[in-house]
Amino acid sequence: NAGVTQTPKFQVLKTGQSMTLQCAQDMNHEYMSWYRQDPGMGLRLIHYSVGAGITDQGEVPNGYNVSRSTTEDFPLRLLSAAPSQTSVYFCASSYVDRVGYGYTFGSGTRLTVV
Amino acid sequence: AQTVTQSQPEMSVQEAETVTLSCTYDTSESDYYLFWYKQPPSRQMILVIRQEAYKQQNATENRFSVNFQKAAKSFSLKISDSQLGDAAMYFCAYRNQLAYDKVIFGPGTSLSVIP
Repeated sequence: NAGVTQTPKFQVLKTGQSMTLQCAQDMNHEYMSWYRQDPGMGLRLIHYSVGAGITDQGEVPNGYNVSRSTTEDFPLRLLSAAPSQTSVYFCASSYVDRVGYGYTFGSGTRLTVV
Repeated sequence: AQTVTQSQPEMSVQEAETVTLSCTYDTSESDYYLFWYKQPPSRQMILVIRQEAYKQQNATENRFSVNFQKAAKSFSLKISDSQLGDAAMYFCAYRNQLAYDKVIFGPGTSLSVIP
């Protein structure tokens, strides 16, 4: 049981390049989401998914695209990287147990756009 | 729109002492979830404690406990017998019961533990 796996851990892109951040979970969680973390601002929601084939926008969706073809995978695509997208990106999946909702996070991807 | 405020950007505590981190939030909803997450230098986000709003009893997890004041919209985290491993960034977070997967995070409090 690996939890939530994100790849890569670090990435440097040039302005205008595109790339995909990978996220996979093996816990059969329906809900998955992507956040970005910037200094002094906590984590902000980019996109989320409530199940395979269903996605929706979060607080800061511009410049990002997602799809959810399987329960396990939720990739985040940067269409044309900009320096403002330099950040740490986290993928999370959520679950419900006897206590209530909880979230499991991946280890993050540090992205630098130059 | 819901917001989460953490008014203490940085705090410090002596090893073995107790420290309280503050969190306030703004919502018009009656049922929701509140969380505290810890982020050590490794960058991993670790769930510390959580509470559903309709449960009046304050949640506890070993050395970690919360003081949940629903009317005041306050959700503070108390760490007892602080240890060096508690040094980290701590984030307070809010989730509306019906907001699917939209979690709102505060800006964080950086906690240092002094040996």
